Amino acid sequence: NAGVMQNPRHLVRRRGQEARLRCSPMKGHSHVYWYRQLPEEGLKFMVYLQKENIIDESGMPKERFSAEFPKEGPSILRIQQVVRGDSAAYFCASSPPAVNGRNEQFFGPGTRLTVL
Amino acid sequence: EDKVVQSPLSLVVHEGDTVTLNCSYEVTNFRSLLWYKQEKKAPTFLFMLTSSGIEKKSGRLSSILDKKELFSILNITATQTGDSAIYLCALSGAGSYQLTFGKGTKLSVIP
Repeated sequence: NAGVMQNPRHLVRRRGQEARLRCSPMKGHSHVYWYRQLPEEGLKFMVYLQKENIIDESGMPKERFSAEFPKEGPSILRIQQVVRGDSAAYFCASSPPAVNGRNEQFFGPGTRLTVL
Repeated sequence: EDKVVQSPLSLVVHEGDTVTLNCSYEVTNFRSLLWYKQEKKAPTFLFMLTSSGIEKKSGRLSSILDKKELFSILNITATQTGDSAIYLCALSGAGSYQLTFGKGTKLSVIP
């Protein structure tokens, strides 16, 4: 009964390096969402993906950030040339296909990114 | 732009007390309102409410949605130290599946 899995749980990067965060949705879930939680802030939506498709990336910064959810394998959130302001907890959530507008999202444990 | 405001931001109670957490919102087209409990790790799903006046119950937790006045409350009765957490309210608007979160209410239950 595995829930949403994320790895790594903690990631330390130096400014200018790349960060790759992985998310495996719950079994049977085909929809993946990424959220960012900055210190003292609420969770902020970044991107919503289905298999091989980006559905909504309205919350994603225009530069340095990208996301994918390939046909096989986990969803990946990629941050290039990280800066200190990217330090945050990044949460992935998954849901089954919506029925009657219901889309309960179930969250993974998050990846805490620290940029030195 | 959808908006969620939670109050209070933090709350300290003694075991056995009853607490009420508040969530007010603004939305163009309402789809659903969700409550989550966040301890040190993943936000854990508690409730989804889609219709006004419907009370959801799960053990000592219950929640009500008022779509006319645009708010929801989360009640916890007979609180226990294990209820200590941040409680998050989130809004889903029609036309989008992203959730808009409030900043949360940090509940501390002391013995």
